This record gives sequence, structure tokens and C-alpha cells, in this order.
Amino acid sequence: DTGVSQDPRHKITKRGQNVTFRCDPISEHNRLYWYRQTLGQGPEFLTYFQNEAQLEKSRLLSDRFSAERPKGSFSTLEIQRTEQGDSAMYLCASSPGPLAEKLFFGSGTQLSVL
Amino acid sequence: AQSVTQLDSQVPVFEEAPVELRCNYSSSVSVYLFWYVQYPNQGLQLLLKYLSGSTLVKGINGFEAEFNKSQTSFHLRKPSVHISDTAEYFCAHGIQGAQKLVFGQGTRLTINP
Repeated sequence: DTGVSQDPRHKITKRGQNVTFRCDPISEHNRLYWYRQTLGQGPEFLTYFQNEAQLEKSRLLSDRFSAERPKGSFSTLEIQRTEQGDSAMYLCASSPGPLAEKLFFGSGTQLSVL
Repeated sequence: AQSVTQLDSQVPVFEEAPVELRCNYSSSVSVYLFWYVQYPNQGLQLLLKYLSGSTLVKGINGFEAEFNKSQTSFHLRKPSVHISDTAEYFCAHGIQGAQKLVFGQGTRLTINP
């Protein structure tokens, strides 16, 4: 069990650029979640997958955001035309089943949009 | 919408003193409650959880929490804190049958020697 890994750890980009983050969940976990955490706030739910199916998207996830989990393993989160308000820590988590009681978080990707 | 309120954004305490971090949740039919800890530059780590049964829940690192349905609270306590407990603590409420979590704003616990 190597835990949930996220890449990159840090990303600095200019406004208007596209960025993509990757999350590798714990291997046998079929649920994968994306959360966003801004300074001084708790994580906010963005979306989650059951295997390759995206089951729910938060209203926080504008049309500029897209998440995929093509083979039910790793996931990517892409932000197009980044804005300064997108600056945040993007957290990925995985769990072995439908209940969030066994949620394991990665260390996150810190995005800074200049 | 379901919500979680952590009443204190920062709590400073002296080492070996007791501490209580407060959390209130919005009432719902099903109640699944969690406390997570986030150490600097690390991911969120589960401290303890309440799913059902005994209202007093014990977690890792000597922490415990008590579920109080009438007050819709789930306060976190530790009788004697250590410098290593310095971290951000998040209370969370599981919704939709605990399929996803709604987090509070967090409480920064600072331990002074």
C-alpha cells in the first residue's frame, strides 16, 4: 500500500493557461474523489468516480474543469483558461467502497495562478 | 444544504493542557461524523469517526470525540496535548449515506511549550 499519490506537488501558472493534475489512488480502491481547499477553509467536494464512471459533479466545478478516470485507475483533473480564483490546493482521495468512512487522502497539488 | 461549523478558527494551548475543539453539524436523518488532522505539508489523516453505536469515540494519538445528537455536536478532546499535536483539525459530516464528506472550516491547534 503506497497511499494516494498526486503529481505535481506544486504548479505555478499564468492566468489563461491550461493545467492538468494527476492522481494515483490506492490500487484496489474503486472510488476516487477530488476536493479543493483554499487558504483557511476546509476541503470542498468537486467530483467523484466509481471506477471509470463520474457519478457526481459539484456546482463548484465550472465548465473549465474536467475530470477523467479512463481505466478506473488513475485520474486527471484539467483546468482550462485558469483564473486567479482557481489558486488552491487540489486534493485527491480514494476509498475501497461506497462509504467515505475509509477515505485516504493524497498530499495534494498546490496551484498558484499568477 | 448540509453544513459543518467549527466554532474556533484557532486554539492556542500550553503543552500538557487539555483541549477541546468544537464542531456542530446541521441535523440530518443519517449521521456520520469524522475528525481529520492535517499536519504541515501532509495530506488529511483520519483521527476518528462516528457511524453508530457508542457516542464516545476513541481515535488515534489519544484523541476522543463525543457525539451529542440533541446538541448536534461532535467535539474533539484530548486530556493532555503534546507539541506534536500542532496541526489543522477538520470536522466532517458524511452525507448521501456517507458517500461523500462535507468539511468544516478547520481549527488550527497551536501548542505552546
